[in-house]
Amino acid sequence: RKEVEQDPGPFNVPEGATVAFNCTYSNSASQSFFWYRQDCRKEPKLLMSVYSSGNEDGRFTAQLNRASQYISLLIRDSKLSDSATYLCVVNRMDSSYKLIFGSGTRLLVRP
Amino acid sequence: DTAVSQTPKYLVTQMGNDKSIKCEQNLGHDTMYWYKQDSKKFLKIMFSYNNKELIINETVPNRFSPKSPDKAHLNLHINSLELGDSAVYFCASSQEIGGGERNTIYFGEGSWLTVV
Repeated sequence: RKEVEQDPGPFNVPEGATVAFNCTYSNSASQSFFWYRQDCRKEPKLLMSVYSSGNEDGRFTAQLNRASQYISLLIRDSKLSDSATYLCVVNRMDSSYKLIFGSGTRLLVRP
Repeated sequence: DTAVSQTPKYLVTQMGNDKSIKCEQNLGHDTMYWYKQDSKKFLKIMFSYNNKELIINETVPNRFSPKSPDKAHLNLHINSLELGDSAVYFCASSQEIGGGERNTIYFGEGSWLTVV
C-alpha cells in the first residue's frame, strides 16, 4: 500500500463548480500536511498547508482528519486557471524528515 | 531572478553514457534536495543535503552521485545511464530540512531526462 494515496482523476468540472479531493495516508507518524499544485510540465508549488482545525485560503479549503488519516481539499467557484494536478503531501517528523508525495489528482475545469 | 535553477532543462542521451545535472539556489537556504518524478507522476526524494552534509540518501542505485560544493549548489551525476532512468529530476531547497509548515520547499523547473 502506498503511504499517500489519491484518486488520480481526472475530475472534469465546469467553471463555477465546487470540487473536492480526498487523500489518505497510512503512516500515523505523519505530522504535517500540505497540498501542492503542479501544472503540466512544471514544478510543484505549495498551495496551502493543512491544519488540524481546517483552514481556508480564498476559494480553497483544506481539512485534516487525523483519526481517519485523510486530508481533503475543496475548491469553490472553479476557474479555468485551477486546471492542474493537486498533490497531497505529508511530512513525517521522524528521523527521516521526508516529504511523501501522493501521485496527484488531476483537475480539468472546462468553460 | 529564478530562486532554484537547474540545467539542462532537457537532456536526451544514449544508454551507458554519463551525465550531470546542475542545480543552484539563491535563496540562502541551508537544505537542498533531488527528487525524481517518474512516468506515473510519483515524486520521490533521492537525496537531501544540509549545509553540504548528506542527510537523506534513499535507496538509489550508486550510479547516482550527488555533489554539493557549497550550500547553494547541489549537482547530480549519473553514471552508466539506463532506460529506466528516464524521468523528470527536480532540484529543490528549503531553509531547514523537512519541509515543515514554515519551511516551504521551493522546486526548480525540472530536468527532463530521456535515455534512448
